[in-house]
Amino acid sequence: SYVLTQPPSVSVAPGQTARITCGGNNIGSKSVHWYQQRPGQAPVLVVYDDSDRPSGIPERFSGSNSGNTATLTISRVEAGDEADYYCQVWDGSSDHVFGTGTKVTVL
Amino acid sequence: QVHLVESGGGLVKPGGSLRLSCAASGFTFSDYYMSWIRQAPGKGLEWVSYISNTGLTTYYADSVKGRFTISRDNAKNSLYLRMNSLRAEDTAVYYCASGQGYGDYAYWGQGTLITVSS
Repeated sequence: SYVLTQPPSVSVAPGQTARITCGGNNIGSKSVHWYQQRPGQAPVLVVYDDSDRPSGIPERFSGSNSGNTATLTISRVEAGDEADYYCQVWDGSSDHVFGTGTKVTVL
Repeated sequence: QVHLVESGGGLVKPGGSLRLSCAASGFTFSDYYMSWIRQAPGKGLEWVSYISNTGLTTYYADSVKGRFTISRDNAKNSLYLRMNSLRAEDTAVYYCASGQGYGDYAYWGQGTLITVSS
């Protein structure tokens, strides 16, 4: 089964840039999606298909994907960005996989 | 306004059964694939089961294969999950989620808690 590995935590000061990685074997050949989950709330899609943003998601959220690593970048971090973030891929059949999750702490 | 509302959660004994429902509104339900995704207390997200927009294709995580059955009724804008032979490790918040792209889930419900305990 396909495995996606994320760092458990990332800390960033307000106004700075947070980068969250998602590692997987040849993940660059797959479409990667990213979700934000605030405490006690359902996940929210923030980036889909590697780098596209759903309507209503700030441009501060961006994504990239190449080789064995996908990255979610949050620019000009705000206190409201503090949350858990999950990457996710689907191989088109039975393999729907979520990453291990990264807790973003705004200092 | 898109809404996904899960129901049917609760406390069930090990070995018991439960049926979850997800009522959809605000979008053309029959155009979207659906999944059940769960989250154990303090843990990450785990995909459970997928059903195509027509209902003709279904997939299951190995952890629930043979015990859970996903289905949908497009006429009623509803998604279901029949859960049999429940185990303690099935304890989680269960979310229904919908999408139209390549595996992404644009819409999520607020979740329903299943607790499997004697």
